[in-house]
Amino acid sequence: GQNIDQPTEMTATEGAIVQINCTYQTSGFNGLFWYQQHAGEAPTFLSYNVLDGLEEKGRFSSFLSRSKGYSYLLLKELQMKDSASYLCAVRIAGAGSYQLTFGKGTKLSVIP
Amino acid sequence: EPEVTQTPSHQVTQMGQEVILRCVPISNHLYFYWYRQILGQKVEFLVSFYNNEISEKSEIFDDQFSVERPDGSNFTLKIRSTKLEDSAMYFCASSEFEEGNEQFFGPGTRLTVL
Repeated sequence: GQNIDQPTEMTATEGAIVQINCTYQTSGFNGLFWYQQHAGEAPTFLSYNVLDGLEEKGRFSSFLSRSKGYSYLLLKELQMKDSASYLCAVRIAGAGSYQLTFGKGTKLSVIP
Repeated sequence: EPEVTQTPSHQVTQMGQEVILRCVPISNHLYFYWYRQILGQKVEFLVSFYNNEISEKSEIFDDQFSVERPDGSNFTLKIRSTKLEDSAMYFCASSEFEEGNEQFFGPGTRLTVL
């Protein structure tokens, strides 16, 4: 089966750095995505890793270790608008399909 | 910037009624997906669609569900006889290629079954 774990909630201070961890146990791994979801809205793409290492994209970075089944999302220079849920999703290579399997999400609260 | 659109934004229906949720994927995308998110829970995969046929479906996607691409732009999800537990946010997503490419999500349709 597929199992994706991430912390339920985190709190961080405006201007600080926060790291959100994700561990996964899946078969047919074909990449790991991070999405941001504000309450009542659709998930929006943040980053994608398919090879080990760090991907940097502005204030956001994502790291992947396939051997450890581990990823993290790093958010720098936190802003109040970064308060949202952050979803770790693993792409599974199925039979002619590449669906995403999501974790439950980490609700990040940024405080002044 | 191109985006996935969905209608309606909110649908209220009585248990046992049929509903059709509509999506317009990004125009040059070839792969289409439906996901759902029950309030307070994780996003769950329902079905993927490519080349006018279902490529994969989850256990949730039982005989009450069907998908269709009736024309060159729309992609629909039909629930034949809604149940209370079908109440959720339904997201349509599309991607340009099978892999190496993100899935773009629509704004969702909130389905409430009474």
